[in-house]
Amino acid sequence: QVQLQESGPGLVRPSQTLSLTCTVSGASINNGGYYWSWIRQFSGKGLEWIGYVSEAGNTFLNPSLTSRLAMSVDTSKNQFSLRLTSVTAADTAVYYCARVPPGAPDAYALWGQGTKVIVSS
Amino acid sequence: DIQMTQSPSSLSASVGDGVTITCRASQTISYHLNWYQQTPGKAPKLLIYAASKLQSGVPSRFRGSGSGADFTLSISSLKPEDFATYYCQQTNSYPHTFGQGTTVDI
Repeated sequence: QVQLQESGPGLVRPSQTLSLTCTVSGASINNGGYYWSWIRQFSGKGLEWIGYVSEAGNTFLNPSLTSRLAMSVDTSKNQFSLRLTSVTAADTAVYYCARVPPGAPDAYALWGQGTKVIVSS
Repeated sequence: DIQMTQSPSSLSASVGDGVTITCRASQTISYHLNWYQQTPGKAPKLLIYAASKLQSGVPSRFRGSGSGADFTLSISSLKPEDFATYYCQQTNSYPHTFGQGTTVDI
């Protein structure tokens, strides 16, 4: 049974860099052609698609975040990561990782449980 | 970005009722529309993908329909576990935007 688990700091200072990792268990991250995604949810419940990265490292990012955002895959650790620079209070949210199967349509069927990130001094 | 607008924002219903939630895209998205259910403290759960395809394991009382820019999620005969918030998401173009959510409560 494939599972995803997010990890990272619960608190980040403004202007610092947020780094999150999603660990994949029960399957190899570089088997199957999946896309590995990040989505966040604000306290008002709105959901925002952050982007996704292929097993080969190709990224598709939300244009509103591209200047601050990077995603990567570490096949040796079976993990993928998000790095968001210059964070502000507006980046406070629950961050989810998810898996998207190859080919259209994009169906986000597998999610992690989410990790809460607060940006505050 | 494609804007997704759900209606209503919330609705009240009773166990056994049928309900319908609508989702409208700001431009045509073909059939590239997903529906999710979320309960408090949990990640969204995929119910419907490609507008009308039922995700494995999801009860058949959930039905999705529509194409182009207008879509609906129908739930027949509500069960207690169906009281939740529902979101639509378009995957026709990047970024894959979500609707604002519809809360179904008792």
